[in-house]
Amino acid sequence: GAVVSQHPSRVICKSGTSVKIECRSLDFQATTMFWYRQFPKKSLMLMATSNEGSKATYEQGVEKDKFLINHASLTLSTLTVTSAHPEDSSFYICSARDLQVGTVYNEQFFGPGTRLTVL
Amino acid sequence: GENVEQHPSTLSVQEGDSAVIKCTYSDSASNYFPWYKQELGKGPQLIIDIRSNVGEKKDQRIAVTLNKTAKHFSLHITETQPEDSAVYFCAAPWGRRALTFGSGTRLQVQP
Repeated sequence: GAVVSQHPSRVICKSGTSVKIECRSLDFQATTMFWYRQFPKKSLMLMATSNEGSKATYEQGVEKDKFLINHASLTLSTLTVTSAHPEDSSFYICSARDLQVGTVYNEQFFGPGTRLTVL
Repeated sequence: GENVEQHPSTLSVQEGDSAVIKCTYSDSASNYFPWYKQELGKGPQLIIDIRSNVGEKKDQRIAVTLNKTAKHFSLHITETQPEDSAVYFCAAPWGRRALTFGSGTRLQVQP
């Protein structure tokens, strides 16, 4: 149980294009999903918190118009990197909190990540 | 917010030895402390976690201890194997928000 998938696992795009990354909780419902960014040999940095049916909450320094987040259902959140530039190249990881368990102990389960390379 | 510090940043052990990684946290209200293993190019994988109502939890070769008074928790890996080589992250929640991660420990098990 508690499986989170991400798609695509790897994407290469040209500068100026937009890229959409999907995060799905496969066997549980998640009212909250989180998006992290990880640079090489660094820790995970929270970008935004995505709540089903409401606007995402962005961390300080994260441009909400640059990183569009949509959480349309209890099992799907999407991150769209708009007008991507080489500095947006990174490893993007989502996590989902189990509606039943995570509301007390904040247990989260992570997706396998998406490697974005912007040329 | 929550501040999580992790030590050491790198750890090299001989196969069969034990490895210990330590983390401290700042928010006394935190009640859940997971440990993640991340292999190259992959997302973090939960390997063990502990809730604040217990002081120790063990799962085969992996154990986690929690000292709420001192606000620190540790990961213990016994009888290390080459496949344990990876980056390990501790984390702690900041209220009901996302997890705050430690800076990571690169563990290398020498065969």
